[in-house]
Amino acid sequence: EAAVTQSPRNKVAVTGGKVTLSCNQTNNHNNMYWYRQDTGHGLRLIHYSYGAGSTEKGDIPDGYKASRPSQENFSLILELATPSQTSVYFCASGDAGGARAEQFFGPGTRLTVL
Amino acid sequence: AQSVTQPDARVTVSEGASLQLRCKYSYSATPYLFWYVQYPRQGLQLLLKYYSGDPVVQGVNSFEAEFSKSNSSFHLQKASVHWSDSAVYFCALSPSNMGYKLTFGTGTSLLVDP
Repeated sequence: EAAVTQSPRNKVAVTGGKVTLSCNQTNNHNNMYWYRQDTGHGLRLIHYSYGAGSTEKGDIPDGYKASRPSQENFSLILELATPSQTSVYFCASGDAGGARAEQFFGPGTRLTVL
Repeated sequence: AQSVTQPDARVTVSEGASLQLRCKYSYSATPYLFWYVQYPRQGLQLLLKYYSGDPVVQGVNSFEAEFSKSNSSFHLQKASVHWSDSAVYFCALSPSNMGYKLTFGTGTSLLVDP
């Protein structure tokens, strides 16, 4: 079965440290997305990608970078982590937009920045 | 710009009772609409989706939703809930102009009393 996996599942980082969250999908989807989930905000889009080598800014990109080295892999990078980035991060993949905008989600990464 | 509003942050119902979770959207045209469910410590899973045609759509696990263009709504319903339906439910919208991004509501946490 096609799947989206994330690693690590839990991460504790120190303020000012570098954090990399990884996502792998076996759906063969062109599009991949990074969201963060916070109480009262639902899911908010950080970065997304249309394919290998492309990254686009989402609605809240400040403090985050993204990398899409291949069709299957999409990373989210926090160069200088801050406590405000403590959250649960979800990766998703999708085939297309509009009527086929359904996205498939990974299990999430719980990040705590101390 | 589009938006999704889920006015009820928390809903509690008794097992066997009927359920309605509310979703209102704002978008200039007819959007594509989705309901996702998130069980504890898991990613989001698609319950159902509306693209066009019959305004009542059926989903997994006996959930259904009704699209109303006049009310800009897409409410989720179930005739008889089970304790295992306890989860967080998200309504989401995709623009009809082939937009690749989903806009999520803030979610409704459902607790079913056994």
